[in-house]
Amino acid sequence: GNSVTQMEGPVTLSEEAFLTINCTYTATGYPSLFWYVQYPGEGLQLLLKATKADDKGSNKGFEATYRKETTSFHLEKGSVQVSDSAVYFCALTLYGGSQGNLIFGKGTKLSVKP
Amino acid sequence: DAGITQSPRHKVTETGTPVTLRCHQTENHRYMYWYRQDPGHGLRLIHYSYGVKDTDKGEVSDGYSVSRSKTEDFLLTLESATSSQTSVYFCAIGTGGEDTQYFGPGTRLTVL
Repeated sequence: GNSVTQMEGPVTLSEEAFLTINCTYTATGYPSLFWYVQYPGEGLQLLLKATKADDKGSNKGFEATYRKETTSFHLEKGSVQVSDSAVYFCALTLYGGSQGNLIFGKGTKLSVKP
Repeated sequence: DAGITQSPRHKVTETGTPVTLRCHQTENHRYMYWYRQDPGHGLRLIHYSYGVKDTDKGEVSDGYSVSRSKTEDFLLTLESATSSQTSVYFCAIGTGGEDTQYFGPGTRLTVL
């Protein structure tokens, strides 16, 4: 079946530290990959996405590269800020799946300390 | 931000009572989705709609029904609420396929 696995949290970092949140997927077709972010008390917002192998999605200093050979889409940021504290979700949807259902990982909570 | 609202934002109810949650969009997107978010599970799809009066089940549809009589509104009904349905419910909209989904602010439902 189709699934997303991301690293368990919580992750606690100091401000300006390097961030990596691992995400791997299993898919029967050709997925598009997404990172969504949920700030405390809010809904999910799209952070970045990639629709084909070797694409790099980027936004707000975050990056993730679609690696078909390792079925991964790891999220990285070179220098985190306190305002990046949130829950991060990796997700996939299958190209050609007309309904576009998102399949989510369980989420990784990030806390950044000053 | 995409124009999506959910109502109510918070609700406390008792086991066995019916509950209806509403999602309203102003973006004229064809697809609308209901997810539930639970600790340790991420978000899971309950039902989705691909047009007026066109709906289908998701991963965790048991105990839920939906209706879409207008493009802009998607209702989620718990016919007889149970404590296992205590959760945060999110509505999302999109154009389908591999396109981005946009999420509403969520409804926190507590079933006592």
